[in-house]
Amino acid sequence: NAGVTQTPKFRVLKTGQSMTLLCAQDMNHEYMYWYRQDPGMGLRLIHYSVGEGTTAKGEVPDGYNVSRLKKQNFLLGLESAAPSQTSVYFCASSQGTRSQPQHFGDGTRLSIL
Amino acid sequence: GQQVMQIPQYQHVQEGEDFTTYCNSSTTLSNIQWYKQRPGGHPVFLIQLVKSGEVKKQKRLTFQFGEAKKNSSLHITATQTTDVGTYFCAAQGNTPLVFGKGTRLSVIA
Repeated sequence: NAGVTQTPKFRVLKTGQSMTLLCAQDMNHEYMYWYRQDPGMGLRLIHYSVGEGTTAKGEVPDGYNVSRLKKQNFLLGLESAAPSQTSVYFCASSQGTRSQPQHFGDGTRLSIL
Repeated sequence: GQQVMQIPQYQHVQEGEDFTTYCNSSTTLSNIQWYKQRPGGHPVFLIQLVKSGEVKKQKRLTFQFGEAKKNSSLHITATQTTDVGTYFCAAQGNTPLVFGKGTRLSVIA
């Protein structure tokens, strides 16, 4: 089982460029999440989805958009990248209820110059 | 929104010493989860506590959930170099999981 797969693993962007981070899970999980991790800040929730076709805002949603067109995929988009979005991005998934453990991907290290 | 405070932020111990990290919330929690992140890695689920006063053990790790379900602790007995990493608590209330900022553990051999 691959679990949760994130692509790409690394990316460098220029300010103003756009890009999409892809998260794919093969565990048939209902819930999927996007987090960003910055030094000393822990994991902060950007957006999440409780099922195919649904999305919801987390703690730090500004500057990001998401889509969940297929159950196994959760996309995170940056329309106009800013240096403040330099971070490590983690995708996670969990089974139906919110009390289930989250399974994380390996992360995407994104630098915006 | 819901917040969880985790202390200490950093802990340096000699191999063989004990280690404890604490997690506190101002609101009553449905459950609390603990995760470990090795340097350069991703968070990995360790355990979930649900019941008031619950205590669970995993080898040298002991997890506790407070009687009021507002605090939790993780204690490691006789640390080893393999315990190095950042330990996060994650609180479940009426919102998706909220992660503490983590405690980074360094073990000096």
